[in-house]
Amino acid sequence: DGGITQSPKYLFRKEGQNVTLSCEQNLNHDAMYWYRQDPGQGLRLIYYSQIVNDFQKGDIAEGYSVSREKKESFPLTVTSAQKNPTAFYLCASSLAGPYEQYFGPGTRLTVT
Amino acid sequence: GEDVEQSLFLSVREGDSSVINCTYTDSSSTYLYWYKQEPGAGLQLLTYIFSNMDMKQDQRLTVLLNKKDKHLSLRIADTQTGDSAIYFCAESMAGSNYQLIWGAGTKLIIKP
Repeated sequence: DGGITQSPKYLFRKEGQNVTLSCEQNLNHDAMYWYRQDPGQGLRLIYYSQIVNDFQKGDIAEGYSVSREKKESFPLTVTSAQKNPTAFYLCASSLAGPYEQYFGPGTRLTVT
Repeated sequence: GEDVEQSLFLSVREGDSSVINCTYTDSSSTYLYWYKQEPGAGLQLLTYIFSNMDMKQDQRLTVLLNKKDKHLSLRIADTQTGDSAIYFCAESMAGSNYQLIWGAGTKLIIKP
């Protein structure tokens, strides 16, 4: 079964702690993306990577960090510098170029 | 800058057709997409249309593209309760590494 997995589905953290969200794909896609979704808003791009060992900031990268050491994996770290980290986080992947993105099931992060 | 706009809500009766509209601003779009998001889940690609097409039909779904007016619509025939979801349109543009620009999503509410 090909697809994208995100874990965990729900994550709770105390303010001031860093937290890492997992994203794995077995679709052999070159490009991977992290989005943040807040109620009543569209998706906002945090980071994206078009190839292993390379990634670019999206529209709202401040307070987040990523790595792309393997083609299949693109973990996102929400750092304590992110002022409003509570949100629904979506990971996606695609072939390189103008192709559709496939999404994981999302991780809902709550920081108190 | 680029912008994609959608109405936030649409309410239809079960069995009627739903028409969800989207306007975009950038004429260099290559592909335009419709995604569906059910509560608490990731996004599912419904359909897409290449920018040189006017119409695409796929079972109950019909996509219409008016490039002159930069207007995209998704028609769902015979709307069912399972169609209740948020529908996002997105455009892919060659000049931005094919990043997707997202609308805020239209919540489709089905009345019995």
